[in-house]
Amino acid sequence: DIQLTQSPSFLSASVGDRVTITCRASQGISSSLAWYLQKPGKAPKLLIYTASTLQSGVPSRFSGSGSGTEFTLTISSLQPEDFATYYCQQLYSYPRTFGGGTKVEIK
Amino acid sequence: QVQLVESGGGVVQPGRSLRLSCAASGFTFTSYAVHWVRQAPGKGLEWVAVISDDGRTKFYADSVKGRFTISRDNSKNTVYLQMNSLSTEDTALYYCARAQPYSSFDYWGQGTLVTVSS
Repeated sequence: DIQLTQSPSFLSASVGDRVTITCRASQGISSSLAWYLQKPGKAPKLLIYTASTLQSGVPSRFSGSGSGTEFTLTISSLQPEDFATYYCQQLYSYPRTFGGGTKVEIK
Repeated sequence: QVQLVESGGGVVQPGRSLRLSCAASGFTFTSYAVHWVRQAPGKGLEWVAVISDDGRTKFYADSVKGRFTISRDNSKNTVYLQMNSLSTEDTALYYCARAQPYSSFDYWGQGTLVTVSS
């Protein structure tokens, strides 16, 4: 199985900050990676797919990069509605694994 | 608009069974695979199972293999998850999600809660 390791697991930041979350895969997955945002009590919401493609309707302050085993999600200027937990997911092979999550909280 | 609505959750004793449903609308159901993903209280996301658009191909997480069965009825636009031999470790919010091939889970339901407790 492909393991995904997210870092950090917890992040404290202020509105307007630039934030970067890393996802490392245990083996190469090409660009088969997606990023999701989840708020408490809500279903996950797709932000980025195929590592760097912004899902329709997602603000342009979100961006993704990487391929192979190293991936990043960047929020260029953190907004109040962005405080949530972020997950990466690989879609290269089964089982479709998720990273452990990164909780972004208000400093 | 695309909608996925889960149902069938509840409180069940260890060793018993439960069947979850995921009713889809707003898109061509027969063109998409559907996945189940669960989230234990306070924990992260765990992929559970997938069924292909035609129902012929299925994959399961090792943690549920042999106990859970995924199926679909394309005439009813519904995917099912039959869960047998439930244990306390199966307690979670269960989501169904529509799959875009090799790229993402683009739509999710609101989830249905399964609690396994004596």
